[in-house]
Amino acid sequence: DAGVIQSPRHEVTEMGQEVTLRCKPISGHNSLFWYRQTMMRGLELLIYFNNNVPIDDSGMPEDRFSAKMPNASFSTLKIQPSEPRDSAVYFCASSLVQGGILYGYTFGSGTRLTVV
Amino acid sequence: GNSVTQMEGPVTLSEEAFLTINCTYTATGYPSLFWYVQYPGEGLQLLLKATKADDKGSNKGFEATYRKETTSFHLEKGSVQVSDSAVYFCALRNAGNNRKLIWGLGTSLAVNP
Repeated sequence: DAGVIQSPRHEVTEMGQEVTLRCKPISGHNSLFWYRQTMMRGLELLIYFNNNVPIDDSGMPEDRFSAKMPNASFSTLKIQPSEPRDSAVYFCASSLVQGGILYGYTFGSGTRLTVV
Repeated sequence: GNSVTQMEGPVTLSEEAFLTINCTYTATGYPSLFWYVQYPGEGLQLLLKATKADDKGSNKGFEATYRKETTSFHLEKGSVQVSDSAVYFCALRNAGNNRKLIWGLGTSLAVNP
């Protein structure tokens, strides 16, 4: 299994530009999570999906952030317009829960976003 | 509500020293408990887990015992190596079909040769 695949690994963009981060979860996993990690705030859950449906987006900082999961094998996190304070490492994770049992919770390698 | 509290870092040790990173939790029912490790420039990786009271999770020389009476899941290693330098995260998941993990803030460990 290739694990959770995120792209790009690094992104540098100018303030005001649109940024799209991509994630391919582990095949068969039924939940997907987007996290943001910064020195100041640590690891923050932004949003998560269950069976491609957004369940909890209370961690999304503001309307500039949006996330979609059009199918079980792909998700995007979009920031439009981007701001310097959005600079962080963004992680995607996927998991499988069946019958109340957690079978795996795996992180991707992250996308390091720098907004200048 | 549910929460995880970890000891603040950074923790700095010499090679072969004994490591303890404290983790306590607040949760309803009987959560599962996890330790994840994040090496520099990488994502978080599962290090070990325990799903019920008195279970001991172990991996790569690390151990943690699920203590319900003290609501703790402290991470220990008898002899650390430079390669153990990383950030360690404690997390819990409530029982049932809950998909979310509740995370501690992470503890940075630096091991000097």
